[in-house]
Amino acid sequence: DTGVSQNPRHKITKRGQNVTFRCDPISEHNRLYWYRQTLGQGPEFLTYFQNEAQLEKSRLLSDRFSAERPKGSFSTLEIQRTEQGDSAMYLCASSFGTGDTEQFFGPGTRLTVL
Amino acid sequence: DAKTTQPNSMESNEEEPVHLPCNHSTISGTDYIHWYRQLPSQGPEYVIHGLTSNVNNRMASLAIAEDRKSSTLILHRATLRDAAVYYCILRYLNRDDKIIFGKGTRLHILP
Repeated sequence: DTGVSQNPRHKITKRGQNVTFRCDPISEHNRLYWYRQTLGQGPEFLTYFQNEAQLEKSRLLSDRFSAERPKGSFSTLEIQRTEQGDSAMYLCASSFGTGDTEQFFGPGTRLTVL
Repeated sequence: DAKTTQPNSMESNEEEPVHLPCNHSTISGTDYIHWYRQLPSQGPEYVIHGLTSNVNNRMASLAIAEDRKSSTLILHRATLRDAAVYYCILRYLNRDDKIIFGKGTRLHILP
C-alpha cells in the first residue's frame, strides 16, 4: 500500500502525559498537512510543511503542540501535557506540488485523553 | 474565505441517483469548487472538482450553476459504500492549499 500511513492508529493517555504521532506521506509528495477532527465536525487545519519547512501554523496549534518534518519525508506531531480537550482524531495528508492539488489523507490517529 | 452551505444530512435509496447540493453565494472568480468525502473511520478522500464547466469522473459528476453560486454533486447510482460525509469546499487557486472543511452532508443509503 503506497498511501499515507499514520501510527499509532489509537492512543489512550492520561491527562498531563506527552504523546507523539507519526505520519508517513506518499513518497515524493513535498507537502504534508496535519488536521484535527472532533466528533461531528469537519477536519480543522493545524499546520503544513513544504519539504522540511513549516510554512503555516493555525491558531489552534497552541504552544503545547509541535510538529516536525526533519528530512522532508515523515512528520511527527507531539502534544505535551495533554488535556481532555485534546481528544480528537488527528489526520495527516500529503500532496505534490503547490496550489490547487488533491490532498491524500491517512486513516488518522485517534487520541483519547483520560 | 468564501463559505459553503450544505444540508446536514440526506437519505437516498440504494441504486438510485443522489444529488447533493451546495450553496456558495460569495464565491469569487478564482475559487475552485472541490468535493471530498469521508467514509466511516477513514480520512477524507477527494471526489471531484471544477471551476465553471460541469465535470465527470469515475466517482461522480459535478454540476455547477451558471452564476457559480451553487453546485450539485451527483452520484449516479448510489451503493451502500457511498454512505459518508460529503464536504463541499472552495479553494483559491494560487494560495496556500490547506483545506477549510465545513460540517458537510451526512449521506445515508437505504438498502
